[in-house]
Amino acid sequence: AQSVTQPDIHITVSEGASLELRCNYSYGATPYLFWYVQSPGQGLQLLLKYFSGDTLVQGIKGFEAEFKRSQSSFNLRKPSVHWSDAAEYFCAVVPSGGYQKVTFGTGTKLQVIP
Amino acid sequence: GAGVSQSPSNKVTEKGKDVELRCDPISGHTALYWYRQSLGQGLEFLIYFQGNSAPDKSGLPSDRFSAERTGGSVSTLTIQRTQQEDSAVYLCASSVRGGQGELFFGEGSRLTVL
Repeated sequence: AQSVTQPDIHITVSEGASLELRCNYSYGATPYLFWYVQSPGQGLQLLLKYFSGDTLVQGIKGFEAEFKRSQSSFNLRKPSVHWSDAAEYFCAVVPSGGYQKVTFGTGTKLQVIP
Repeated sequence: GAGVSQSPSNKVTEKGKDVELRCDPISGHTALYWYRQSLGQGLEFLIYFQGNSAPDKSGLPSDRFSAERTGGSVSTLTIQRTQQEDSAVYLCASSVRGGQGELFFGEGSRLTVL
């Protein structure tokens, strides 16, 4: 069955430290991949997306993600975390052809400490 | 409107009552999604519309849940005979190109069943 997994439910990092949030998927072919962020009391916002081409994609707010086909992963990274990055992050996948259901992971809640 | 609008933003109801949740997508967006977000859970897919058709309603938890979309625009999610386990935030999202494009989310409707 198709699935997307975010193994880390909760992560705490110090402000200024680097960040990596993990996302693994299980699909028959390379899907389209997304990262969304949900700040407290707000709706979800797209951070970045991967459809094809360069496996390292840049997004908003200084985030980037790397697609690794061999590992079926699409991990989100940021070199230096700011306190305002505290939020919940969701990885999402959709099959690359035809069918348009978007499946979200269970999310990773990021806490940033001074 | 400029964004996805959902109403009501908060709804408290008694067990056994019916509720209707409304979603007004961004004008011109043909795809519309409903998700459910429970405390500590990820985004649970409920149903997807392309135009007025629902190619995938596999996520609806039971026959108490139904949804429709009219005029390729407004969608209504109806929950009949509500149960306490239906308490959650119901999120609506729209997209101009289905899952291949960015999903734009509303603020959600928080449902509390007493």
